[in-house]
Order: sequence, then C-alpha cells, then structure tokens
Amino acid sequence: ETGVTQTPRHLVMGMTNKKSLKCEQHLGHNAMYWYKQSAKKPLELMFVYSLEERVENNSVPSRFSPECPNSSHLFLHLHTLQPEDSALYLCASSGLGVDTDTQYFGPGTRLTVL
Amino acid sequence: DAKTTQPPSMDCAEGRAANLPCNHSTISGNEYVYWYRQIHSQGPQYIIHGLKNNETNEMASLIITEDRKSSTLILPHATLRDTAVYYCIVRVADSGYALNFGKGTSLLVTP
Repeated sequence: ETGVTQTPRHLVMGMTNKKSLKCEQHLGHNAMYWYKQSAKKPLELMFVYSLEERVENNSVPSRFSPECPNSSHLFLHLHTLQPEDSALYLCASSGLGVDTDTQYFGPGTRLTVL
Repeated sequence: DAKTTQPPSMDCAEGRAANLPCNHSTISGNEYVYWYRQIHSQGPQYIIHGLKNNETNEMASLIITEDRKSSTLILPHATLRDTAVYYCIVRVADSGYALNFGKGTSLLVTP
C-alpha cells in the first residue's frame, strides 16, 4: 500500500465508449503523473500536474484528456480509443523539491480496448 | 539523465542476499541513483535512492562506489515475493518529471 489508489483496476471498453480513470493520493503530495505501460515496453510519461497545473504533456493524442481538480485527485478521461491504447495505466505522485520528489505509484488500471 | 546498464536477469535462492548491479559510468555530480521494482502487472514500487553515501532502509541497502560509476542494490534475505523486475534510474533530483525505467533486471527468487 503506497498511499496512491487507482480505480477501476480493470476496464474493458469499446472504441466508441467514454470512460474515466481515477487516481487519489493520500500522501500530501503536490505533483501527480500519468504513465502508460504497453506490453514489453518501458513506462512512458503522459502527463504531469504540479500544484494542479499541467506542466508536461508528452505528445499524447487528444483522445486522452487529463483533469486535476485538486492536489489529491487526478483523472484520465478516455474517448474513442483504439485497440493499441490497451495498456497498464499508472498514476504516481510526489512532492516538489530535491528531498521530496520521489515518485510513488498506484497499482494501475489494466485497460483493454476492443 | 545518465544512462544505466543492468544485467537482464538474475537468480537468487530464497533466504540468500540478492545483489543487483547497475553501471552508470556517465553519472554527473548532481545525479541521484534511484531503485524501483515492479512485480508482474503491478505499479512500480520505490525501494531506495542515494547520491554518494551508502543508504539502508527497511527494504534494502544501496552501495555506491566511491567514483559513483556503479552501484549495487542488496536485498539481504530474499523471499519469493521479491521476484520482480528491478530498475536502476539515474536522475537529477528536482530536475524534471520523467523516470526513465529502461529494461531493468528480472530477478527470480527460487525456493
């Protein structure tokens, strides 16, 4: 238990569906992250929020839309996904600053797009 | 961030110490060494990090050579639950956001 929770843990959706992934952190952190991990590939950073402002967006297609309503919650809204978007989606959080920016990860959401 | 090199796989007998090496010969003075592990299909788990001194916590010890070009993660008494992929990551703290996980070392702990 790392203090970062993700729901749902598993999601199957069709290409025309709209769904949202939720992440919540109980660590008092000020930065939150979305990563994608496809089969046999390293983790890819998707989005970063620092103090509730989006500070990084790594060329992610617009069918993925993040939202950070406060420092404890992060969402990833999904619409018209493609089968190649099937992956493990990981949320992480960290503090800000040299001694506090270690990232702690949630358990992930396993997404399957049919 | 400096590049790291790790062996692709290692075996360790349960109860023995697991020593996982990492080479980072291009590390610069302000780069930290971080270790994470990922058990199959779960989120990565932070283990330990250090700058130049050896570090120990409840999970592991991190030994960094004096020239900082390599390090070793030590799990003192490996259990079956330590079977995972272990990632050595070098980065400047507070410098940006991406953790470059690379391919890591797949550690298999056997009974």
